[in-house]
Amino acid sequence: NAGVTQTPKFRILKIGQSMTLQCTQDMNHNYMYWYRQDPGMGLKLIYYSVGAGITDKGEVPNGYNVSRSTTEDFPLRLELAAPSQTSVYFCASSYLGYYEQYFGPGTRLTVT
Amino acid sequence: GQQVMQIPQYQHVQEGEDFTTYCNSSTTLSNIQWYKQRPGGHPVFLIQLVKSGEVKKQKRLTFQFGEAKKNSSLHITATQTTDVGTYFCAGNTGNQFYFGTGTSLTVIP
Repeated sequence: NAGVTQTPKFRILKIGQSMTLQCTQDMNHNYMYWYRQDPGMGLKLIYYSVGAGITDKGEVPNGYNVSRSTTEDFPLRLELAAPSQTSVYFCASSYLGYYEQYFGPGTRLTVT
Repeated sequence: GQQVMQIPQYQHVQEGEDFTTYCNSSTTLSNIQWYKQRPGGHPVFLIQLVKSGEVKKQKRLTFQFGEAKKNSSLHITATQTTDVGTYFCAGNTGNQFYFGTGTSLTVIP
């Protein structure tokens, strides 16, 4: 049971480039989440999904897109990267919306 | 919008001293969760509180949920160096959790 895995671990992007952050869970969880964590701050919800084919915006969705074609995968797409998107991105999953969340190890993204 | 505030932002304690972090929500919560994040790591679930006035204990950690379900606290008795990290509360309303800004705990040996 690998839990929640994320790739890549680190990435440096130039302004205007695009990339996809990958997230996979093997716990058959219905809910999946993407958060960003800025230095010294809490986690802000970007997008979440309550099941395959269903996604919804969180607190800070601008500049990001998601899709959920399978239960296991929940990729996060950054289009036209900006320095304000420099952050650590965490993917998480839970069985249901009010259950404990399991977090992946994170992706550290720098946009310069 | 929904806000979850957490105080203090930082806390330095001598090993063996007690530690408390407080979490306050602008709205009534369905439930609240607590997470711990070690430096350079990812958040790890500690506990969930659901009922008004609920108190739960895990060894040296005591968690409380307020009567109005708008505030919560985490108290650690006799801190150890293994307690170092940032403690986050996360308040739930519907499908979303709103994380507090966290309290960073440093334990001085």
